[in-house]
Amino acid sequence: NAGVTQTPKFQVLKTGQSMTLQCAQDMNHEYMSWYRQDPGMGLRLIHYSVGAGITDQGEVPNGYNVSRSTTEDFPLRLLSAAPSQTSVYFCASRKSGGAVPLFFGPGTRLTVL
Amino acid sequence: DQQVKQNSPSLSVQEGRISILNCDYTNSMFDYFLWYKKYPAEGPTFLISISSIKDKNEDGRFTVFLNKSAKHLSLHIVPSQPGDSAVYFCAASEAAGNNRKLIWGLGTSLAVNP
Repeated sequence: NAGVTQTPKFQVLKTGQSMTLQCAQDMNHEYMSWYRQDPGMGLRLIHYSVGAGITDQGEVPNGYNVSRSTTEDFPLRLLSAAPSQTSVYFCASRKSGGAVPLFFGPGTRLTVL
Repeated sequence: DQQVKQNSPSLSVQEGRISILNCDYTNSMFDYFLWYKKYPAEGPTFLISISSIKDKNEDGRFTVFLNKSAKHLSLHIVPSQPGDSAVYFCAASEAAGNNRKLIWGLGTSLAVNP
């Protein structure tokens, strides 16, 4: 199993550009989520999905869109990039149901100029 | 208002000794706790977890202790190795159907010196 994969690893955007961060998992996990990590802020939840066709907002959803058309994929779209979105983005997944651990991808480092 | 706090931003330990990382929480409804390890330029890696029905869980060199009355958990690493040098995050969650969300601490950077 590859686990959780993310592409690209690094990306530089100009303010106002749009892009999609890709995330895929091959563990048949129902739950998938996106986090951003900023210095001194810890991990903050952007959006999550409990299954195909179902998405919901986390604590910092503004400026980001998600969709979940398959169990495996959960892309994160930046509609109009802003310097405040410079961050490291992690995708994570887990089985549905009770108390189970979350498994993370390797991250995408995004810089918005 | 942080519900999960890791009050020590950093910790330095000699190789072979015990590392103790601490985490405090405020929400008494939290019933599941996890520790993650993170190396630079990598994603967090799940290390060990504990349910609130237990007060200790052990996995090799790693042991997590939970003190519910004090709302405190700790991760013990014995013996510490240089490869354990990383940032350690604790996280907590409460039962909410399939919508269980993790609340994260800000991390403790552990340096294990040879």
